[in-house]
Amino acid sequence: AQSVAQPEDQVNVAEGNPLTVKCTYSVSGNPYLFWYVQYPNRGLQFLLKYITGDNLVKGSYGFEAEFNKSQTSFHLKKPSALVSDSALYFCAVRDMGSGTYKYIFGTGTRLKVLA
Amino acid sequence: NAGVMQNPRHLVRRRGQEARLRCSPVKGHSHVYWYRQLPEEGLKFMVYLQKENIIDESGMPKERFSAEFPKEGPSILRIQQVVRGDSAAYFCASSPPGSQGGRPQHFGDGTRLSIL
Repeated sequence: AQSVAQPEDQVNVAEGNPLTVKCTYSVSGNPYLFWYVQYPNRGLQFLLKYITGDNLVKGSYGFEAEFNKSQTSFHLKKPSALVSDSALYFCAVRDMGSGTYKYIFGTGTRLKVLA
Repeated sequence: NAGVMQNPRHLVRRRGQEARLRCSPVKGHSHVYWYRQLPEEGLKFMVYLQKENIIDESGMPKERFSAEFPKEGPSILRIQQVVRGDSAAYFCASSPPGSQGGRPQHFGDGTRLSIL
């Protein structure tokens, strides 16, 4: 069965330092991978996706993510964190081999950027 | 260019009443998804609908919950005879037709359901 794991409930990083939010996945077919961000009392906002092509994908607000097929990972990264990046981040996968194309979300990682 | 609209934003019901949650997708989107989010938890998939069809309802409880996406009008998530455990934020998302998996979902801001 398809699944997504975000092993860290919370990540703390100092402003200006690089950040990484981890995500690993398990699917039967080719994965379509997404990152979303959620601010308090709001819906999820799309950050970036990997479908095919270059393993490093760039998205909104300076975020990027690296697809690693051998490690089945899709970690979110940013070279220099901002206090305004503090939010809840979700990794999601769409299993193109499942037949239903539903999205599976991780449990979320709360990012806290300290001034 | 309106995004996904959900209403009401907040809904309070007493145990045993019915809750109706509405979702108007982005104009032109024909795929709708419903998710439930409990405090400090991730999103749990409930149901995936296309116009007039339920594609995948594997995440929906077998009893008291139903969803529809009619040819005209918003998608409706209906919860009958609500219980305290139904208290959660319910999110709707939409995506355009013909998407072969690569298009991201657009999310509404959710309906926060509280059961007294």
